[in-house]
Amino acid sequence: QQPVQSPQAVILREGEDAVINCSSSKALYSVHWYRQKHGEAPVFLMILLKGGEQKGHEKISASFNEKKQQSSLYLTASQLSYSGTYFCGTEYSDSWGKLQFGAGTQVVVTP
Amino acid sequence: GAGVSQSPSNKVTEKGKDVELRCDPISGHTALYWYRQRLGQGLEFLIYFQGNSAPDKSGLPSDRFSAERTGESVSTLTIQRTQQEDSAVYLCASSLGDGGAGETQYFGPGTRLLVL
Repeated sequence: QQPVQSPQAVILREGEDAVINCSSSKALYSVHWYRQKHGEAPVFLMILLKGGEQKGHEKISASFNEKKQQSSLYLTASQLSYSGTYFCGTEYSDSWGKLQFGAGTQVVVTP
Repeated sequence: GAGVSQSPSNKVTEKGKDVELRCDPISGHTALYWYRQRLGQGLEFLIYFQGNSAPDKSGLPSDRFSAERTGESVSTLTIQRTQQEDSAVYLCASSLGDGGAGETQYFGPGTRLLVL
């Protein structure tokens, strides 16, 4: 049930864009996105609920495609502070509250 | 407190010893979660407490792992007869737990466990 994240890693120059995908093998209820910096706890970015809504946090936005059982996180005009590992956590209607996390996508933003 | 707190922040132990890890959730949060994160890997669900309901222990890797929660506050994760593969960061999170889905989980700083 663990979601699959891609890519595993991405290196960006400041100002560039990137997309991180999170795919599930079964129908999703919600997707939670977190960013974790080295040696620190994961920090909540946003939740997307079933319904295909899009949300934003600074210049980071995400979409939820119910049909494809997938969520995508968009890093727009990346900043140095965006560096870290991004995790998606998936929630299913038969197990509310319990998240299954992907293996993470490491993002490095260089000057 | 303002956030989730965990103690100790670091723990070094010898193989075969028991360890106890503590988590204090955000005040008023009725749901509490434990995760394990091995070096360079994702978060692995261990156990989930929701109010007075029986905990979801489906993620505990073996019977050496157990967790308790006192009411709707402090939780303790106990690992008995530790093995080297137990070395990891153990993260605790809490959420409001009002029964709905899509709740935000807030993470503590973690306990870094090293089993020699």
